[in-house]
Amino acid sequence: AILMTQSPSSFSSSTGDRVTITCRASQDISSYLAWYQQKPGKAPKLLIYAASTLQSGVPSRFSGSMSGTDFTLTISCLQSEDFATYYCQQYYSYPWTFGQGTKVEIK
Amino acid sequence: QITLKESGPTLVKPTQTLTLTCTFSGFSLNSNGVGVGWIRQPPGKALEWLALIYWNDDKRYSPSLMSRVTITKDNSKNQVVLTMTNLDPVDTATYYCAHISKYCTSDSCYYFDYWGQGTLVTVSS
Repeated sequence: AILMTQSPSSFSSSTGDRVTITCRASQDISSYLAWYQQKPGKAPKLLIYAASTLQSGVPSRFSGSMSGTDFTLTISCLQSEDFATYYCQQYYSYPWTFGQGTKVEIK
Repeated sequence: QITLKESGPTLVKPTQTLTLTCTFSGFSLNSNGVGVGWIRQPPGKALEWLALIYWNDDKRYSPSLMSRVTITKDNSKNQVVLTMTNLDPVDTATYYCAHISKYCTSDSCYYFDYWGQGTLVTVSS
């Protein structure tokens, strides 16, 4: 199975900050990667697929990029509603696998 | 508007079999490129993909659970059913079903775009 490793596991940030979350795949997954946002007690919400394609309705402050097997989720200007846990997921090959999550907390 | 909702028991005893139903609306599982998957999340832990089924009845399973899990669909009822045998307390989790879309022609161009609200299943005697 492809291992997805996110970093950091958690961090604190302030509203207005630019934040970056990284996800590294243990092997080549091309651009077959999605990012999800999950708030406590809620289902995950799709933010980005195909590594950099913004899902319809998701604010443009969210963006995704890739370099080789490293993937990045960037929030350009953190808003109060963005404090949540973020997961990456590869769908290049079965079994589909998720990262362990990155929790973004209020500083 | 695509919606999905999970249903099933909230409490199951160890060694018992769990049957969860995902009832959906806003799409047909007969449509080319569409699928439904199951994902679970133990309390305070990460997401884990379990299984999925496509419009053409192609089924895929997590290798770690393949011997215990079965996924089926009923197009007439707009339902997907997940069955998991021989439950253990470590199977305690919130179970989600999710709609799968295809966005390109490659065999890998599938992703979860809509999720159900999830249902918490506790395994305890």
